[in-house]
Amino acid sequence: AQSVTQPDIHITVSEGASLELRCNYSYGATPYLFWYVQSPGQGLQLLLKYFSGDTLVQGIKGFEAEFKRSQSSFNLRKPSVHWSDAAEYFCAVGPPGFQKLVFGTGTRLLVSP
Amino acid sequence: GAVVSQHPSRVICKSGTSVKIECRSLDFQATTMFWYRQFPKQSLMLMATSNEGSKATYEQGVEKDKFLINHASLTLSTLTVTSAHPEDSSFYICSAEMKRVSRSETQYFGPGTRLLVL
Repeated sequence: AQSVTQPDIHITVSEGASLELRCNYSYGATPYLFWYVQSPGQGLQLLLKYFSGDTLVQGIKGFEAEFKRSQSSFNLRKPSVHWSDAAEYFCAVGPPGFQKLVFGTGTRLLVSP
Repeated sequence: GAVVSQHPSRVICKSGTSVKIECRSLDFQATTMFWYRQFPKQSLMLMATSNEGSKATYEQGVEKDKFLINHASLTLSTLTVTSAHPEDSSFYICSAEMKRVSRSETQYFGPGTRLLVL
């Protein structure tokens, strides 16, 4: 069965500092991988996705993620965090050709001044 | 592009009443729409998958008679919570998968509907 683990429930980062959010997945083959962001009381916005090809994926708002097959990981990074990045971040996995997404439990990002 | 709306954004109802939530893809046709439920400070749990013109597929443990889903067109799906009870209070989010010649493989999410049952 597919599963997604986001080991950090919440992370606090100083504004301007770099960020890395961890995501590990369990799946029999290479799945489709996604990162979404959710602001309080809002729906989810797609930050980036990986289907195949280059393992370093660029997304919106300056985010990037790297797929590492050997580690079953798809960590999200940003070189310099802005206060507006404070939100909940969800990693998700879906099988190729895909219908259902399985979400991780989310990581809440707090940005300190 | 790829905007999904939900209406209402929040609703308060009395126990025993039914509530309908609409999910619309505003600028694209959706092959498939999904309904999720999110409890406070928790992840999204898929409730059901609906394809236009056919019956919804419910996830295990989701009562199909309680959560009625209709996908009448390629741009509209509705979720009706029947005989709502306080334990149905939650944040309901829909998503839509874009219809294309080739597979789209991306879900676009609505802003969610906060349901409070008193």
